[in-house]
Amino acid sequence: DAGVTQSPTHLIKTRGQQVTLRCSPISGHKSVSWYQQVLGQGPQFIFQYYEKEERGRGNFPDRFSARQFPNYSSELNVNALLLGDSALYLCASSSDRAAGELFFGEGSRLTVL
Amino acid sequence: EDQVTQSPEALRLQEGESSSLNCSYTVSGLRGLFWYRQDPGKGPEFLFTLYSAGEEKEKERLKATLTKKESFLHITAPKPEDSATYLCAVQVYGNKLVFGAGTILRVKS
Repeated sequence: DAGVTQSPTHLIKTRGQQVTLRCSPISGHKSVSWYQQVLGQGPQFIFQYYEKEERGRGNFPDRFSARQFPNYSSELNVNALLLGDSALYLCASSSDRAAGELFFGEGSRLTVL
Repeated sequence: EDQVTQSPEALRLQEGESSSLNCSYTVSGLRGLFWYRQDPGKGPEFLFTLYSAGEEKEKERLKATLTKKESFLHITAPKPEDSATYLCAVQVYGNKLVFGAGTILRVKS
């Protein structure tokens, strides 16, 4: 079975631009979450979605938004990019049985110049 | 505020040299403590979940233990392929985990 897939794997943007990152969860997983990982730090929670509804939001500005589609795939949008948004963006999915056992994709590496 | 602190930041071992990684946490009601492994340029890979003090889990050369204030990841007779960053996290709710900064483990042959 396919794991969590994310696209694009790498992208470069300039300050002020907008970016959309995409994620497909493991088949059967209804919950998708997004994390930001800055070099040398652990992942930091951004959002959780479950059956198209937002279930949690981390301490990120309103420039960050997300949504989940009927097929449980998800998008993360970041507007008005800042240099500090440069990071690895990780998508994870989980089963209903074990919400904390996250299965991560390989991430989207965003560089903001 | 939920907080996770991992030590040491980095650890170099010779192949076969056993050691332990530490994860201390403060949380208002532990729902679960998780260990993940992360290879360079990859997403974290789930290893273990611990729910209550005294619980232990094992997988190959790794054993995770939990007390009321900290968790240990014991690595017995490590091999070079065990080299990775090991992340500890506590569950706040649902998919929201608070992660520590990780311990970078390097095992030399």
